[in-house]
Amino acid sequence: ETGVTQTPRHLVMGMTNKKSLKCEQHLGHNAMYWYKQSAKKPLELMFVYSLEERVENNSVPSRFSPECPNSSHLFLHLHTLQPEDSALYLCASSQEGKGAKVTDTQYFGPGTRLTVL
Amino acid sequence: GQNIDQPTEMTATEGAIVQINCTYQTSGFNGLFWYQQHAGEAPTFLSYNVLDGLEEKGRFSSFLSRSKGYSYLLLKELQMKDSASYLCAHMDSNYQLIWGAGTKLIIKP
Repeated sequence: ETGVTQTPRHLVMGMTNKKSLKCEQHLGHNAMYWYKQSAKKPLELMFVYSLEERVENNSVPSRFSPECPNSSHLFLHLHTLQPEDSALYLCASSQEGKGAKVTDTQYFGPGTRLTVL
Repeated sequence: GQNIDQPTEMTATEGAIVQINCTYQTSGFNGLFWYQQHAGEAPTFLSYNVLDGLEEKGRFSSFLSRSKGYSYLLLKELQMKDSASYLCAHMDSNYQLIWGAGTKLIIKP
């Protein structure tokens, strides 16, 4: 059973709605990630938080806004999305070392299937 | 630039062996991962190679050749439950994972 949970599992929203995705990890990790997975495309890294600080933001549109209140929780706030944002949104966590910044294996949640109408 | 390629889809027979190949180009390398993802589920970690050679773990083995930018995942004694997508990813010099698009493996009786 996965140590990373995500809610909701499915979400349908209109382009004018505001919603949030939630991720929680029970593995004691110190880094968390948001990925977008579209059909037949590679996983796209959206955001990385290490020790609750955002360390990566891969040119993601501002209609996606992440929040990491503590090392166990990660949110993705959504507003005024477009139909092309429909995808599976995956959360992952890992243990990041200090100094040499060695990053351990990433563990994924089951994802939120998002449909934007 | 960085790139990673794997076949889109493969078909194999229950009880047989299948090899899923992955090639990559990168300026920095910190290891090669394989993940399994069943439809509608989370990707789950299968293997990690950072040195050349074969790593065996039960019915699954993973091979790496850093000089060739090449890896493969070998699945033996295939079972119907092995039907899934298999994702190849390498870790670059910034310790970010660069992902392939995945190989959908279909197992037939």
